[in-house]
Amino acid sequence: QKEVEQNSGPLSVPEGAIASLNCTYSDRGSQSFFWYRQYSGKSPELIMSIYSNGDKEDGRFTAQLNKASQYVSLLIRDSQPSDSATYLCAVIGNSGNTPLVFGKGTRLSVIA
Amino acid sequence: NAGVTQTPKFQVLKTGQSMTLQCAQDMNHNSMYWYRQDPGMGLRLIYYSASEGTTDKGEVPNGYNVSRLNKREFSLRLESAAPSQTSVYFCASSGQDYNEQFFGPGTRLTVL
Repeated sequence: QKEVEQNSGPLSVPEGAIASLNCTYSDRGSQSFFWYRQYSGKSPELIMSIYSNGDKEDGRFTAQLNKASQYVSLLIRDSQPSDSATYLCAVIGNSGNTPLVFGKGTRLSVIA
Repeated sequence: NAGVTQTPKFQVLKTGQSMTLQCAQDMNHNSMYWYRQDPGMGLRLIYYSASEGTTDKGEVPNGYNVSRLNKREFSLRLESAAPSQTSVYFCASSGQDYNEQFFGPGTRLTVL
């Protein structure tokens, strides 16, 4: 059973701080990793994808991947109240023939 | 470009009634997916279609059937609704096999 684990939170950070969201996965051969943001009552929205070890930056967001440790993280710099949402980690396994496996998400609250 | 659309947005059924949830995408994507999302359970895959003409079971297929009508459309049918099927249902699509998925707005279903 492939698993993706996230701390459910809530993670509370003050406005302007860095929010750090973490995710671990069980399938060592996983190749593709995604972060989705979901506002309350809305559908998940893709915000980052990462495929190789290291960091990938897009605006205030940085995704970090460490395949040896089976760990992927999302950093949000200069956090804003509008970043308050649930963040879902999703992973594609090694077989290449199975869909995304989602974590249950971490709820982030940015306090003004 | 509407992306992924779903109908209806809301639905209330009585136990034993049947209904079909419709999903369409205009991104020329090959793969389409149906998920349900329940509090504390995260996103769970019901069925998916890797390409036109194929469908496969996901994590929670019991009580559901699907039809990949053509490349654009993927429907989910509840033959005899049960209260346990009260949930939010999301349709998603992806271009390359099981890669970045884009979600529709969701259908909120209540079964009394």
